Amino acid sequence: TQLLEQSPQFLSIQEGENLTVYCNSSSVFSSLQWYRQEPGEGPVLLVTVVTGGEVKKLKRLTFQFGDARKDSSLHITAAQPGDTGLYLCAGGGFMDTGRRALTFGSGTRLQVQP
Amino acid sequence: DARVTQTPRHKVTEMGQEVTMRCQPILGHNTVFWYRQTMMQGLELLAYFRNRAPLDDSGMPKDRFSAEMPDATLATLKIQPSEPRDSAVYFCASGLVVTGVYEQYFGPGTRLTVT
Repeated sequence: TQLLEQSPQFLSIQEGENLTVYCNSSSVFSSLQWYRQEPGEGPVLLVTVVTGGEVKKLKRLTFQFGDARKDSSLHITAAQPGDTGLYLCAGGGFMDTGRRALTFGSGTRLQVQP
Repeated sequence: DARVTQTPRHKVTEMGQEVTMRCQPILGHNTVFWYRQTMMQGLELLAYFRNRAPLDDSGMPKDRFSAEMPDATLATLKIQPSEPRDSAVYFCASGLVVTGVYEQYFGPGTRLTVT
């Protein structure tokens, strides 16, 4: 059973377009992280959000944590080919399961065509 | 630029053979994680250590997998005997707890193929 569901699974867009990736769960998190992974490499941490309703911006990337801390979204403005990769969300500290370490979502594979 | 290192980067072995993967965490990081990534299952947590003590290995098949940290600069993941279903990319990550949240830094992974 996947505790974190990401959508869409695959996304292919043209350079300059905007996109949003979603991460949803039925469980409450104490924190939510987003990672990007490029082929042949390990995931790289992009952001951590810890407060319900929190919004963080990293250049053209906007991350939002849901008010109930069960979901999150990643919005990319004016996508560039360099944004291509696998985007993973990871939830920490599931209060109702007692699990302390991170659980990763299924991932969204993004391809930005020049 | 501190990085997590993993060896070997690639390993091809026959079913039944022992496989040992090694990880050198970033100096000063007190938590080490082992993950397995496949197309079907995604990124799965196998085990993690804090201050070299195992905290959670519930994601790891106990009959064939073992994880250890003989010292603060080395973590190992061993599979004995290996099976074709173990074929995957194995990642090590080291990290710190920052304001109650794990911040993890991943190594480049070991791509394991068991034939």
